[in-house]
Parts: sequence; structure tokens; C-alpha cells
Amino acid sequence: AQTVTQSQPEMSVQEAETVTLSCTYDTSESDYYLFWYKQPPSRQMILVIRQEAYKQQNATENRFSVNFQKAAKSFSLKISDSQLGDAAMYFCAYRTPQGAQKLVFGQGTRLTINP
Amino acid sequence: DADVTQTPRNRITKTGKRIMLECSQTKGHDRMYWYRQDPGLGLRLIYYSFDVKDINKGEISDGYSVSRQAQAKFSLSLESAIPNQTALYFCATSDPIGGINEQFFGPGTRLTVL
Repeated sequence: AQTVTQSQPEMSVQEAETVTLSCTYDTSESDYYLFWYKQPPSRQMILVIRQEAYKQQNATENRFSVNFQKAAKSFSLKISDSQLGDAAMYFCAYRTPQGAQKLVFGQGTRLTINP
Repeated sequence: DADVTQTPRNRITKTGKRIMLECSQTKGHDRMYWYRQDPGLGLRLIYYSFDVKDINKGEISDGYSVSRQAQAKFSLSLESAIPNQTALYFCATSDPIGGINEQFFGPGTRLTVL
């Protein structure tokens, strides 16, 4: 079974600085998808960024980018120019492209932005 | 209006009570999911459904049951609630058409079992 591990329960960063959230996963599959979700205090799950395993190029969405290391099974999220609105719980998730397409989530990292 | 809605948003109940959490979607997706979120554990899959006649257990289905009343509606029931079912519950939908299609989440239901 696939597993996803986020080893940082909490992180903090100064406003306007850069922060990196770590995620590792375990799978025997060669094709899969990886996601980062943001959960602000409103509880809503918001998709931040996604990566297809067969693509070597790291995904980027504005201030959010990933460092995808397939051999190391690592998928970290970098947030540049941190803003107060980035404060949230962040979840890393894994999904296979076929079958149930169910998401397997990590434990989450709570990110605090210091003004 | 939201594409995926959940009712109620918050619920407090007592041990032994039967409770139903409801999910409705207007996205026209066939696939629907119920997840449970606990602190330090992330979200875990309870049940999922591919259509009204196809329902499958997830990794933590014990103590729960589901009903897919229509393509747009997927309900989660706790037949006899217990305190360790206190959690945040999410419904999600997805389109099975290929590609990196995302899951769309409802706003969540916070359930407290006393």
C-alpha cells in the first residue's frame, strides 16, 4: 500500500521569506500523481499544485513550486514571498491514475506566517 | 453556489445515536468519496462510489455505512456513534475521465460525539 509522510508537523516563516515543506512517499508504481492541498481555517480543501510522475519538469503555480525527486520519492513544496494568507495546514497527497483514484494523504504540516 | 455541499456543517451528538451526513454535488461527476480527517493523521478514505450501483470500502469503513441515492447524492451514516468517531468529515467528487483530474472537496462536516 502506498504511504505518504510529512515529517514536519509545524513550520513557521517570516512574511516575504521562502519556506519549503517536505513530503516523502512510498510506492511500487511508476505512474502516479502527486498533489499539495491547502486547508485554511475555513476548513476548505484547496488544491495548490499537482505533478505527474512521468513529467521530469517541476510544476509551478505562481509563488508555489515543487521539487519532485522521483528516485528519492520526495515531493517538497516551496512557497516564495510568503504572505499572511498562506497560513494554513498543508497536505501532500498521492494518487494512482487508474482504478479507484483515491487520494492517500500525509499527516499535514501547519504553516504559520510571522508578520 | 458551491459545487459540492455538505450538511450539516457542524453536529454534536451522543454516543449510541444514529447520524447521517449528506453530500450533494452539481458537478455531474460519477465518482464520490468520503474522507475523515483527524489531527496528526491527515485524511483517510472511508467509502467511495463510482456510480449508484458501485460502492466500495476504503481503509477505515468499520462503523460506517453509505448510500448513493443518485448520481448527485452520497450519504454517510454512523449507525451507533462512538466518541472516537469525532472528526472532520469531507465529501469529494471527481471525473473519471483520464488525466490528472482533481478531486473537488465539500466544506466539511465537524462531528462531535459525546
